[in-house]
Amino acid sequence: QSALTQPRSVSGSPGQSVTISCTGTSSDVGGYNYVSWYRQHPGKAPKLIIYDVNKRPSGVPDRFSGSKSGNTASLTISGLQAEDEADYYCCSYTRASTWDWVFGGGTKLTVL
Amino acid sequence: QVQLQESGPGLVKPSETLSLTCTVSGGSISDYYWSWIRQSPGRGLEWIGYIYYSGSTNYNPSLKSRVTMSVDTSKNQFSLKLSSVTAADTAMYYCASFRFSEGFEYWGQGSLVTVSS
Repeated sequence: QSALTQPRSVSGSPGQSVTISCTGTSSDVGGYNYVSWYRQHPGKAPKLIIYDVNKRPSGVPDRFSGSKSGNTASLTISGLQAEDEADYYCCSYTRASTWDWVFGGGTKLTVL
Repeated sequence: QVQLQESGPGLVKPSETLSLTCTVSGGSISDYYWSWIRQSPGRGLEWIGYIYYSGSTNYNPSLKSRVTMSVDTSKNQFSLKLSSVTAADTAMYYCASFRFSEGFEYWGQGSLVTVSS
């Protein structure tokens, strides 16, 4: 079960937008709309920010948006703020055998 | 608001069994599937498996031979056992709630388990 592929790091200045990609295969990202994204600050548990590709849980600002094209999902953060500096992980359902879940390797977002 | 709290030994000897319990509060254990996810130091997240309140389970194929999950609905708790541990199993272990179309919504604060003699 291979992890989904994410860039190791991205960066942006306050107020700008950044996009983090998450590449899988037709057996996971490309085959199902069960893609979710998580933000993790140092020493903290991950927090759900996007589910079902592009839905936001209650309380997550609309600066966070998700999309998918083919085998690649993307998380876009607009209006970057200092608090957005964190690690971001994507996750997808994968029909490897039974109902399984696979995470991406994580992307470190630096707000310059 | 659902809250999760992991508990268990922070140190386990190689070849022994790691045991963790997650206590659910603020909601019923029948409302979600319950999952364990781990994160090795400086590494990414790895899904270990899930259990439903009925007792049905599904495990990561790479860990399946060593993982057992159980649920105690009377205590609103679910548990993880990972046998024959090695140093590679040293990680922060999180419990989390999930629904197939809603992601891993609620997370515990994590329990650091170190495998060392």
